Amino acid sequence: ETGVTQTPRHLVMGMTNKKSLKCEQHLGHNAMYWYKQSAKKPLELMFVYSLEERVENNSVPSRFSPECPNSSHLFLHLHTLQPEDSALYLCASSQERENSNEQFFGPGTRLTVL
Amino acid sequence: AQSVTQPDIHITVSEGASLELRCNYSYGATPYLFWYVQSPGQGLQLLLKYFSGDTLVQGIKGFEAEFKRSQSSFNLRKPSVHWSDAAEYFCAVGETGGFKTIFGAGTRLFVKA
Repeated sequence: ETGVTQTPRHLVMGMTNKKSLKCEQHLGHNAMYWYKQSAKKPLELMFVYSLEERVENNSVPSRFSPECPNSSHLFLHLHTLQPEDSALYLCASSQERENSNEQFFGPGTRLTVL
Repeated sequence: AQSVTQPDIHITVSEGASLELRCNYSYGATPYLFWYVQSPGQGLQLLLKYFSGDTLVQGIKGFEAEFKRSQSSFNLRKPSVHWSDAAEYFCAVGETGGFKTIFGAGTRLFVKA
């Protein structure tokens, strides 16, 4: 595997389900991100982890719970979601460096909440 | 506050024609600027970036962009569009020394034969 991978690619869940999204980066980066991409809205940054510590949490509802067990893996745990949470969830990684925050993106997980 | 504006929601060009996608930004310091492309069902791929130096930057797939500080713009250009360029294009501003990247709302490019 190369780059940034995400599983599953598609997920349909009910509002009472609990599921997790997984992201893995194979680039040796030390920062990882979760974004939400909804139709007709700009990309929304949800969480940032640097060296496995959360450094950004952009007022995301508690029904979204991130986990970063090591610098290569990032999870997004989902529970009691709402239909408006249906979106494409993108993971990205970058190498923390003074003059760059170029990010590399995974293909995304298309989430549908019924 | 930092912001990125892409004035065109969608653009249609003929194959072989030239392309310019507009991007304006608001940022207090010298920005890090990016253009990303997203094909349907895919993540974002970096086309090019500007950090400093030459204001005309070359990217992949024959794209280039010019940073104009006086106009707070970073427009993306391509001299001859191919049908495979049909996608959504995002301009972004990166936080200096930080992790936050602000994305524009995107411009969807349609290419007609």
